[in-house]
Amino acid sequence: DAKTTQPPSMDCAEGRAANLPCNHSTISGNEYVYWYRQIHSQGPQYIIHGLKNNETNEMASLIITEDRKSSTLILPHATLRDTAVYYCIAHKGEKLTFGTGTRLTIIP
Amino acid sequence: EPEVTQTPSHQVTQMGQEVILRCVPISNHLYFYWYRQILGQKVEFLVSFYNNEISEKSEIFDDQFSVERPDGSNFTLKIRSTKLEDSAMYFCASRVDSSSDTQYFGPGTRLTVL
Repeated sequence: DAKTTQPPSMDCAEGRAANLPCNHSTISGNEYVYWYRQIHSQGPQYIIHGLKNNETNEMASLIITEDRKSSTLILPHATLRDTAVYYCIAHKGEKLTFGTGTRLTIIP
Repeated sequence: EPEVTQTPSHQVTQMGQEVILRCVPISNHLYFYWYRQILGQKVEFLVSFYNNEISEKSEIFDDQFSVERPDGSNFTLKIRSTKLEDSAMYFCASRVDSSSDTQYFGPGTRLTVL
């Protein structure tokens, strides 16, 4: 998996959109951008992934730049339950390589 | 919604003892994984398993570790002689087939070695 860079921490007010950035300038053409989150010590939870196009599901939206060197995960209306560590992973194949992620804190 | 389950949620053992951690992957999934996370550290890949054999393993996965799919539903991780440094959260994950790279994780087993 290509190296990704994320800010170590972010705060967001409850009810606002949380925008989590990720840089992956060395991503390969066949690597997907995956986002997982980990709430406390629970198992990583899959959120969303994409290759080139922007993606949206019931949890979040993923915006990938045209050159694929960076992306942004958007949680449209953050709730207190969204407080977690968010991992951006450029991935293809077997093992997932987790970094240190972004610790997102939702402020009431 | 189908999910990966793991038992037990917490296992306490004495150093040198054998432990078996159990996982039930999502029922139609063909690829299985174990990861671990030492407290305060990153989630680390241990091993991947497909078609009844190991397809990839990390340097952590030495001779003390083994995996098995003893029947059609369970996937186990055995540590033969536990060390203090094996204390960690162990996560099982599964993936449907080669058409998708998305792995789904279980809630984890906290292993404490005394």
